[in-house]
Amino acid sequence: DVKVTQSSRYLVKRTGEKVFLECVQDMDHENMFWYRQDPGLGLRLIYFSYDVKMKEKGDIPEGYSVSREKKERFSLILESASTNQTSMYLCASIDGQGYEQYFGPGTRLTVT
Amino acid sequence: TQLLEQSPQFLSIQEGENLTVYCNSSSVFSSLQWYRQEPGEGPVLLVTVVTGGEVKKLKRLTFQFGDARKDSSLHITAAQPGDTGLYLCAGVSSNDYKLSFGAGTTVTVRA
Repeated sequence: DVKVTQSSRYLVKRTGEKVFLECVQDMDHENMFWYRQDPGLGLRLIYFSYDVKMKEKGDIPEGYSVSREKKERFSLILESASTNQTSMYLCASIDGQGYEQYFGPGTRLTVT
Repeated sequence: TQLLEQSPQFLSIQEGENLTVYCNSSSVFSSLQWYRQEPGEGPVLLVTVVTGGEVKKLKRLTFQFGDARKDSSLHITAAQPGDTGLYLCAGVSSNDYKLSFGAGTTVTVRA
């Protein structure tokens, strides 16, 4: 079974803090994604990566950056957290053969 | 602006009733996926429909892809409390692996 894990299930941070969200997948997938999920808006793509050290902006990259130094790990960074970044963050991975995205359990981030 | 529109946003029914969730777009997709998400978990893929007009069945769930590959529906027959969850449709573009998600339909099946 594909397993995608995220470093924290719940996180509370203060405005202005730097926040790291980590995602690890164990299936050697090339492609990894970061989404945020908000009620009534569905999942919106923040960043994605096709390979190590490669990254592409998604639909809402402002205020975020990413890092992919190893194939199995994709990190989302909030340089200076703001209250409007309070959300559920979901990581996903997909191999090069199909279109099923495997999701992690999500990190619910609250910025106060 | 949501690329995929799902309706209804919320649905609450009694166990044993039928329900249908709709997913519509003005864009054509190479395929369309349906995911179910339970509280505290990430979405899990239920089905992928690829061909216009395609119908797929997964036990009591029936998925249909429109002829023009712009819309889809999910029909649940004799719903059970275990069907409760957030149902998300996602369109797959032909050129890359990015998905465009609908806002989701929250289904509650009361025992």
